[in-house]
Amino acid sequence: DLQLTQSPSSLSASVGDRVTITCRASQSISNYLNWFQQKPGNSPKLLIYVASSLQSGVSSRFSGSGSGTDFTLTINNLQPEDFATYYCQQSYITPWTFGQGTKVEIK
Amino acid sequence: QVQLQESGPGLVKPSQTLSLTCAVSGASISSGINYWSWIRQYPGQGLEWIGYISHSGSTSYNPSLKSRLSISVDTSKSQFSLKLSSVTAADTAVYYCARATYFYDPTDYGTPTFDYWGQGTLVTVSS
Repeated sequence: DLQLTQSPSSLSASVGDRVTITCRASQSISNYLNWFQQKPGNSPKLLIYVASSLQSGVSSRFSGSGSGTDFTLTINNLQPEDFATYYCQQSYITPWTFGQGTKVEIK
Repeated sequence: QVQLQESGPGLVKPSQTLSLTCAVSGASISSGINYWSWIRQYPGQGLEWIGYISHSGSTSYNPSLKSRLSISVDTSKSQFSLKLSSVTAADTAVYYCARATYFYDPTDYGTPTFDYWGQGTLVTVSS
């Protein structure tokens, strides 16, 4: 299976900080990379698709970049509602796979 | 607004078959380029794609589950279903149904993307 490795696994940050999460694929996946946010007790929510396109209704504080094997999710001006777990996911090849998640906690 | 709703037993005995159904509203299950998917999440852990059935009725399964898995669709009821046989405690998880559809960037580069999810249902495998 194609592996997605996220780093870090968790981080502590303060409101107003800029946060960067990386996702590395075990082989090139072009731009077939999506990012999701999940809060406790909720289903994942789509944030970014095709590596860098912002889903409708999602705050512009979120941005994505990268192609090939290395991808980044950036959250600018971290807000209280952004504390959650973030997952990358590839649709390049089945089985579609997810990263292990990055938990963003309040410092 | 597209909505998905999982239903099925919350408790299944080991060696039995786990059966779940996902009711779809707000979208046609048989039109558009959609991949009606099942995804599970182990308690406190990450997400695993189980498989999908497409708008055309073709299926794709995670190889790790393929020998025990069946996904089907009932277009008359606008629902799709999951059957996982010979379950063990390792199959205990929250099971989500979700729709994947093609999303395109400004350059018309597209990828299947999960845009609508059910709320999830916890299935515990225990005697």
